[in-house]
Amino acid sequence: AQKVTQAQTEISVVEKEDVTLDCVYETRDTTYYLFWYKQPPSGELVFLIRRNSFDEQNEISGRYSWNFQKSTSSFNFTITASQVVDSAVYFCALKTGANNLFFGTGTRLTVIP
Amino acid sequence: NAGVMQNPRHLVRRRGQEARLRCSPMKGHSHVYWYRQLPEEGLKFMVYLQKENIIDESGMPKERFSAEFPKEGPSILRIQQVVRGDSAAYFCASSPPGGERYSNEQFFGPGTRLTVL
Repeated sequence: AQKVTQAQTEISVVEKEDVTLDCVYETRDTTYYLFWYKQPPSGELVFLIRRNSFDEQNEISGRYSWNFQKSTSSFNFTITASQVVDSAVYFCALKTGANNLFFGTGTRLTVIP
Repeated sequence: NAGVMQNPRHLVRRRGQEARLRCSPMKGHSHVYWYRQLPEEGLKFMVYLQKENIIDESGMPKERFSAEFPKEGPSILRIQQVVRGDSAAYFCASSPPGGERYSNEQFFGPGTRLTVL
C-alpha cells in the first residue's frame, strides 16, 4: 500500500527564517516518483518538483531545496529566507505503478512579515 | 499552449440537484485524472480515464458519481443528487500519452469548488 505522511499540519515562521517541511512515504515499489506541490490561497496547485526513486541527488532551485533520503523514506523540502509569498499549503505526493498520485494531508505554512 | 481548463470554477447546488464539472486537458494529452479535496484535507484520487475509456475508478464513490471522457469534448465528472458532504474542490489533471510509465507528470487544472447548500 502507498502512503504519504506530512506530520506537520501547520507551521509559522517569521519572514527571512528558513523552514523545512517534512514528508515521509511508504511503498513497496522499487520504482516511484515523488512530488511537491504548492497550493496558495487562490486554490490552484502549483508543481514544484519531481524526483524519481533512482536519483537521490539533492536539488536546489533558488530558495527551494529538496533532500531525498531513501534510507529513511523521506523527501523533505526546505525554503531558505522565507517570504510572505511562500505562505501556502504544501503537498507531498507519491506516484508508483498505479496511475494516480497519493497525496499527503499537506502542511500549511504561514510566513509572518 | 493553454493549460488544463476546468469550468465552472465555482458551482453552487442545492441538495438533490445534479452537478456537472468539466475538464479540458492540455493539448495533446489523452489521459485525464479527477481528484477530490475535502476541506482541510489532501487530494484523493477518484478516477483515471483515457479517451472513451475508464481505466481506473477505484477512488470513485459507488453511487451518484460518474465520469466520462468522450472522443470529442471535455471530460465530465457528474454528481447526481448532491449532498452536503459532496462540497469540495474537484481537481482535474492531464498527462500525455506514452512515455515512461511512472514518470508522466500530471498537470493540474485550477479546480472547481462545489458548494452544496
